[in-house]
Amino acid sequence: EAGVVQSPRYKIIEKKQPVAFWCNPISGHNTLYWYRQNLGQGPELLIRYENEEAVDDSQLPKDRFSAERLKGVDSTLKIQPAELGDSAVYLCASSSWDGYSGANVLTFGAGSRLTVL
Amino acid sequence: AQTVTQSQPEMSVQEAETVTLSCTYDTSESDYYLFWYKQPPSRQMILVIRQEAYKQQNATENRFSVNFQKAAKSFSLKISDSQLGDAAMYFCALGEYGNKLVFGAGTILRVKS
Repeated sequence: EAGVVQSPRYKIIEKKQPVAFWCNPISGHNTLYWYRQNLGQGPELLIRYENEEAVDDSQLPKDRFSAERLKGVDSTLKIQPAELGDSAVYLCASSSWDGYSGANVLTFGAGSRLTVL
Repeated sequence: AQTVTQSQPEMSVQEAETVTLSCTYDTSESDYYLFWYKQPPSRQMILVIRQEAYKQQNATENRFSVNFQKAAKSFSLKISDSQLGDAAMYFCALGEYGNKLVFGAGTILRVKS
């Protein structure tokens, strides 16, 4: 079974340029997450989707960040324009509901490392 | 609000020895679940172990076990017979049903040969 696939793995851009990250979740996983991980810190949620609906985007800086999950499968996260402080690893994760335990177990992709110069 | 605190920025252990990583959390929910994730350098995050709050028995996965103290809101990870491949950043995470996963700041584990 393929895991969560993200691209690109690395991206270097100048500030004020746009950038986009793509994520393909595990087949059958209805919930998709975008997390941002700053260097030496834990991931912080940007947005969570249930199928194609964004159910938690309270931490997404909506002035420059946007996300979409058309057809409830893969997703794109965009930053326009990028700022120096956006340098981080952007992690995508997907999950399915464990009907036995009730737990939402997340599987992460390898991440997209963004450097803004 | 959910919070997770990992008070040990860095830990070291000798190969084959045992090490315990600490985690405390706060939540207003009575039902929730806890995870330990491992993130090797420049590699993806993988699940190590999970614990449902309604279970009194501590979870165990091979050399990894937890000490879950619900009243104290404590969730430590014990790694027995440490191996070089255990070196990584370890994150404690708290999840509430139908809600997001909240992570701690992480503990870097170094394994000495």
